[in-house]
Amino acid sequence: DAGITQSPRHKVTETGTPVTLRCHQTENHRYMYWYRQDPGHGLRLIHYSYGVKDTDKGEVSDGYSVSRSKTEDFLLTLESATSSQTSVYFCAISEYGGGYEQYFGPGTRLTVT
Amino acid sequence: ILNVEQSPQSLHVQEGDSTNFTCSFPSSNFYALHWYRWETAKSPEALFVMTLNGDEKKKGRISATLNTKEGYSYLYIKGSQPEDSATYLCALTDSGGSNYKLTFGKGTLLTVNP
Repeated sequence: DAGITQSPRHKVTETGTPVTLRCHQTENHRYMYWYRQDPGHGLRLIHYSYGVKDTDKGEVSDGYSVSRSKTEDFLLTLESATSSQTSVYFCAISEYGGGYEQYFGPGTRLTVT
Repeated sequence: ILNVEQSPQSLHVQEGDSTNFTCSFPSSNFYALHWYRWETAKSPEALFVMTLNGDEKKKGRISATLNTKEGYSYLYIKGSQPEDSATYLCALTDSGGSNYKLTFGKGTLLTVNP
């Protein structure tokens, strides 16, 4: 299994609070991704990174920011959590980008009350 | 936003049946087509990545084909087993913008009854 961990694995937070999710990899892969999984929508890309300090938006980036200060860590921040951001969040990594397999982390279940 | 469609949304088969499902995608700016298997309470796992028109990939009882000119891919499962029960996702990478990212379809949920 690819060495990808996500923390926390579960979190309950209140509307309006900031939340940061962490993705950590030990594979030294260049590309990292954050997705959210919602019923009826499948997996949707929030943000991705194509190198240290190089990030770009996905299709559902509003209300989220990311940072990647080193190869192994990709942080997702919900600046002011809303109930619509209740979801399961998956991190993924890829060695060479969109033409190659992605390996997924175990997911973080976030509930915003 | 790219439109990646999968059909059917769900499928129930009996153990031993062979089955197939479809992924449709825009044929322009094609770069790669991915298939993932996603079991309940687990993370998606890659099955195949295909990049060339006419590609065929096989892993055990599961195989996939790709037609980039008409914009579709088929996933086949031969002799379905209960452990094949999962959601099967396809995802497209296109070369029109960034070829680093994937756009996923909503998946086909396969249930194999013993």
